Amino acid sequence: NAGVMQNPRHLVRRRGQEARLRCSPMKGHSHVYWYRQLPEEGLKFMVYLQKENIIDESGMPKERFSAEFPKEGPSILRIQQVVRGDSAAYFCASSPGERTEAFFGQGTRLTVV
Amino acid sequence: RKEVEQDPGPFNVPEGATVAFNCTYSNSASQSFFWYRQDCRKEPKLLMSVYSSGNEDGRFTAQLNRASQYISLLIRDSKLSDSATYLCVVRYRGGGADGLTFGKGTHLIIQP
Repeated sequence: NAGVMQNPRHLVRRRGQEARLRCSPMKGHSHVYWYRQLPEEGLKFMVYLQKENIIDESGMPKERFSAEFPKEGPSILRIQQVVRGDSAAYFCASSPGERTEAFFGQGTRLTVV
Repeated sequence: RKEVEQDPGPFNVPEGATVAFNCTYSNSASQSFFWYRQDCRKEPKLLMSVYSSGNEDGRFTAQLNRASQYISLLIRDSKLSDSATYLCVVRYRGGGADGLTFGKGTHLIIQP
């Protein structure tokens, strides 16, 4: 049973470009979480999704950021018109249910140049 | 989102010593509690779940105090490999605050 898979592991984008980060949850997991971690900072919650539904997006910036978790395929975190301040590690986690622990992917390190 | 508070440290502890840290949470409707460990530039990894009756896994003991709204982690006979950041995690439910909430972590350094 493969773990949570995130790709790409490293992503470099120029200012103004779009970044797409993908997360495939563990098999049987229908809950997905996205977190951002700036250098030397803690994990910051962004969004919590179940299949085809956004449950909690209270941590998402109001503009340029969006997330989806379609019925088929991975969850996508999309950042439009990236700026230098978007440079961070973006972690995805999945869990099989609401009360259970979550398991993390290895993260995508986004660098905006 | 409700807060989860941890002492960021660092805690500098000699190898073989016992170390404990706490975490407090503000939402009394919290349902599930966990400790995660994060090594530098790596993903967080589940260390242990925290049950109401307390639980132990080898050298690690976790306790939950619902009345005072805090969780503790005790590490006995600490090893150099225990050096990491320990994240307290709380799961809330309802009111648009579903999902896991992480503390900022406590940085532990085990010294030889």
